[in-house]
Amino acid sequence: KAGVTQTPRYLIKTRGQQVTLSCSPISGHRSVSWYQQTPGQGLQFLFEYFSETQRNKGNFPGRFSGRQFSNSRSEMNVSTLELGDSALYLCASSLTGGYNEQFFGPGTRLTVL
Amino acid sequence: TQLLEQSPQFLSIQEGENLTVYCNSSSVFSSLQWYRQEPGEGPVLLVTVVTGGEVKKLKRLTFQFGDARKDSSLHITAAQPGDTGLYLCAGALTGGGNKLTFGTGTQLKVEL
Repeated sequence: KAGVTQTPRYLIKTRGQQVTLSCSPISGHRSVSWYQQTPGQGLQFLFEYFSETQRNKGNFPGRFSGRQFSNSRSEMNVSTLELGDSALYLCASSLTGGYNEQFFGPGTRLTVL
Repeated sequence: TQLLEQSPQFLSIQEGENLTVYCNSSSVFSSLQWYRQEPGEGPVLLVTVVTGGEVKKLKRLTFQFGDARKDSSLHITAAQPGDTGLYLCAGALTGGGNKLTFGTGTQLKVEL
């Protein structure tokens, strides 16, 4: 079974631009969560989508948004990029909310200049 | 507020040594997971523990969930260079859906 895929793997943007990242979960998984990983803050939860609905949200500004499609694929968008948004953005998929086992993709490395 | 504290933060040992990584919190978790992450890659799930006092073994790795479900430990026996990586614990709070709170991480380096 194929794992979680994320595209693109690397992105370079400038301040003020916006960016869209994509995540395809493991086949059959309906929950997709997004995390931001930085050296200073570690891994922080952004939001979770289940059946096209946002189910949980972390403490990030409204510039961070997401959505999920009927095939469970998910996108996250960051508008008005800031230098501090440079990070590894990770997507994780899981079957449901059972034991919360999540399987991560390789991430998208975003650099904001 | 960091809900999950890991210790030690860094660990550099020789091949064949044993080590233990600790994950502590004042919160009760419904489940706790351990991951290992390589540079530039996503975390890979090693184990999930859900019952207080539970012990799980994965080859040379032994995971334990505290009786009160507030803490966990990872013990590696006879470490090998292939064990090198960032070890992360992550807890799920009751009613929190799939939101995971990650620990601060333990960077392990095993040298020949």
